[in-house]
Amino acid sequence: GAVVSQHPSRVICKSGTSVKIECRSLDFQATTMFWYRQFPKKSLMLMATSNEGSKATYEQGVEKDKFLINHASLTLSTLTVTSAHPEDSSFYICSANSGTGGMRQETQYFGPGTRLLVL
Amino acid sequence: GESVGLHLPTLSVQEGDNSIINCAYSNSASDYFIWYKQESGKGPQFIIDIRSNMDKRQGQRVTVLLNKTVKHLSLQIAATQPGDSAVYFCAENPPGGTSYGKLTFGQGTILTVHP
Repeated sequence: GAVVSQHPSRVICKSGTSVKIECRSLDFQATTMFWYRQFPKKSLMLMATSNEGSKATYEQGVEKDKFLINHASLTLSTLTVTSAHPEDSSFYICSANSGTGGMRQETQYFGPGTRLLVL
Repeated sequence: GESVGLHLPTLSVQEGDNSIINCAYSNSASDYFIWYKQESGKGPQFIIDIRSNMDKRQGQRVTVLLNKTVKHLSLQIAATQPGDSAVYFCAENPPGGTSYGKLTFGQGTILTVHP
């Protein structure tokens, strides 16, 4: 149990275009999903917390108009990087947690990540 | 959050040895802690967790120790195998309010297991 998927696994795009990344909880309902960014050999940096049916909560310094988050259902959250630039190139990882089915509500289960390269 | 300007600590061990990875956490009110393993190019994988009302918890080949007095967490891996080579992160969950469910990650430790 507790499987989280991400799509795509990697994407290359031109500067100025927008890229959408999907995060799905496959075998549980995720009341909350989190989006992280990770630079090489660094720890995970939380970008935003996504709650189903409400607006995402962004961490300080993260541009909400740049990184659009939509949590449309209990199994799907999407992150759209708008007008991407080379400095947006990074590894984006989502996670999901749930208080149901015997799982601890605080435990986050991570997706495999999406490698974004903006040319 | 993200560590800035620091190289990740590294630990090199021989296959079959026991490994101990350490972590200092920041919030004395945190009540839940998790260890994650991250292999290159992949998302973090849950290893083991522990609540603040415990000081030790054992899993398969892994043990987590919690010392709340000095805000220290450690992960012990018995009979380390080459497949254990990865970056290991500790994470803490501060209690209550809007931060409920959010995790704060440590900087990570690179474990390399030599055959």
